[in-house]
Amino acid sequence: ETGVTQSPTHLIKTRGQQVTLRCSSQSGHNTVSWYQQALGQGPQFIFQYYREEENGRGNFPPRFSGLQFPNYSSELNVNALELDDSALYLCASWDRVDYGYTFGSGTRLTVV
Amino acid sequence: AQSVTQPDIHITVSEGASLELRCNYSYGATPYLFWYVQSPGQGLQLLLKYFSGDTLVQGIKGFEAEFKRSQSSFNLRKPSVHWSDAAEYFCAVVSPGYSSASKIIFGSGTRLSIRP
Repeated sequence: ETGVTQSPTHLIKTRGQQVTLRCSSQSGHNTVSWYQQALGQGPQFIFQYYREEENGRGNFPPRFSGLQFPNYSSELNVNALELDDSALYLCASWDRVDYGYTFGSGTRLTVV
Repeated sequence: AQSVTQPDIHITVSEGASLELRCNYSYGATPYLFWYVQSPGQGLQLLLKYFSGDTLVQGIKGFEAEFKRSQSSFNLRKPSVHWSDAAEYFCAVVSPGYSSASKIIFGSGTRLSIRP
């Protein structure tokens, strides 16, 4: 399987709820990163996983958490949603052969 | 602090005209350099990348970029733009030398509009 797949593509949640976003990356891509992109902004680094362990985190509160699984899939969980969490969430995996990050199409989260 | 600067927020060029999008970076050592393109509501597509060697790199869709170490720049160019090039363009850096790869640091982006 090639490429990075994210699900769902769109999601509407209510403030205070919890959400789980999913990402499936290519076999062998054992580094996955998550980014938040607010409207009109560049992507901001949330955190990164390497071989199922978090090995880097951006300036995001602990209610943003993640998991990476042995099958190269990963999750981004956000608790206690706030209106400002509305954004496009991007997943990217690192190809250590081709030396580059491949991005998924993203999940558009709207918090109302 | 590591940073990427794209000084032009919005650029409009006529179809068929040449294009140059500017990118400057601040980093301890020469990082890996990338340009990505994003159409509205879509993910990021890699246009080209630079790790070492020839400072002029060719990418997809007719784009090229030139790395200038003395200016800490990695400007994106295209000789003749097409209406389909209208999109948001992001310059990005990744710290070199990690097998697991470091995070990507993005610039704030340049929105390209094409005048018919």
